[in-house]
Amino acid sequence: DAGITQSPRYKITETGRQVTLMCHQTWSHSYMFWYRQDLGHGLRLIYYSAAADITDKGEVPDGYVVSRSKTENFPLTLESATRSQTSVYFCASRGQVNTEAFFGQGTRLTVV
Amino acid sequence: TQLLEQSPQFLSIQEGENLTVYCNSSSVFSSLQWYRQEPGEGPVLLVTVVTGGEVKKLKRLTFQFGDARKDSSLHITAAQPGDTGLYLCAGVEWNAGKSTFGDGTTLTVKP
Repeated sequence: DAGITQSPRYKITETGRQVTLMCHQTWSHSYMFWYRQDLGHGLRLIYYSAAADITDKGEVPDGYVVSRSKTENFPLTLESATRSQTSVYFCASRGQVNTEAFFGQGTRLTVV
Repeated sequence: TQLLEQSPQFLSIQEGENLTVYCNSSSVFSSLQWYRQEPGEGPVLLVTVVTGGEVKKLKRLTFQFGDARKDSSLHITAAQPGDTGLYLCAGVEWNAGKSTFGDGTTLTVKP
């Protein structure tokens, strides 16, 4: 299916466990992003990537790791999950700088 | 970190009323985008404004980009219950292609 897909949609994990959230886009967009959205806040940028093998920190990168070995995939890993990382995570992609960013449906992560 | 301040944070109005949402920054962005987000979904783009002073209209929605390219507004005329949702402004940075989002305005339009 064309578009941008995230998996899983819902995840419950325990404190201290490693969790990986997946993101896949079919447009070959250069730019990909991970955001988290908490109640009362907009979207805060965790990491972004301008191309395969190029990643950079966003506003709230601590506790997260990303990789981008292929253009279409941009997984986000929580190395040792904490309760403060309970949130809704959105992946997005865009082709060029001022064009539309397309968002996935989000992953609701709960850390207990 | 470039910041975007949106106001108001919450807005509850009756059907047929007009409203304006503001998005302000101390920084200049390559462009300003407005998104709308429904519960349980990702944001969806409404409009992109690029040129200082630019005004774009989308049916009952009017978007304006400030002359200095640091602020924007969204005006809705004769609001309808279907306009209910979270409205987010986002500044796109020149070289990085990344967007900084405001905290959003939650709009409720009552029938």
